[in-house]
Amino acid sequence: QKEVEQNSGPLSVPEGAIASLNCTYSDRGSQSFFWYRQYSGKSPELIMSIYSNGDKEDGRFTAQLNKASQYVSLLIRDSQPSDSATYLCAVKSRNSGNTPLVFGKGTRLSVIA
Amino acid sequence: GAVVSQHPSWVICKSGTSVKIECRSLDFQATTMFWYRQFPKQSLMLMATSNEGSKATYEQGVEKDKFLINHASLTLSTLTVTSAHPEDSSFYICSASAGQGSYGYTFGSGTRLTVV
Repeated sequence: QKEVEQNSGPLSVPEGAIASLNCTYSDRGSQSFFWYRQYSGKSPELIMSIYSNGDKEDGRFTAQLNKASQYVSLLIRDSQPSDSATYLCAVKSRNSGNTPLVFGKGTRLSVIA
Repeated sequence: GAVVSQHPSWVICKSGTSVKIECRSLDFQATTMFWYRQFPKQSLMLMATSNEGSKATYEQGVEKDKFLINHASLTLSTLTVTSAHPEDSSFYICSASAGQGSYGYTFGSGTRLTVV
């Protein structure tokens, strides 16, 4: 059973702070990793994807991957109230178009103004 | 970028009736479509994977005769919830893949189904 684990939160951070979101996965053969943001009542939107060990930065977001530890994280710098949402970690076991994503339960982030 | 249009965005139906949800890929050919269901405060749970022109593959515990999936073309996939019951009330989301080697998926906007 492939599993993706996340702390459900809520994670509360003050505006301007760094928010750190973590995710672990059980399938050691997983190839692709994604972070999605989901606002209440809306469908997920892709924030970051990462495929290799190390860090990947995109604006205020940094994804970190450690395949040996089976660990993925997302850092949000200069957090804004508009970042308040549920963040879903998703893992794909193979890099093919017909492999579904396995989602974690999500971490609810609250950025306090 | 790739866009998936999902309709309706919300629907209320009476218990025992059927509801059809459509997902269309607007600017790419979706060889594979995934259908997810999300209950309140829960994560997305994969219901089934459909490939154009073939039968859908359902996840364990999902009744294929209740959740009918049709993927007759490369731009349209439908999910029909037959004989809906209140416990089927949920948020249904489709996600499309453009094919082999495609790493990212595009999600539809979701359909909020309420069965009364």
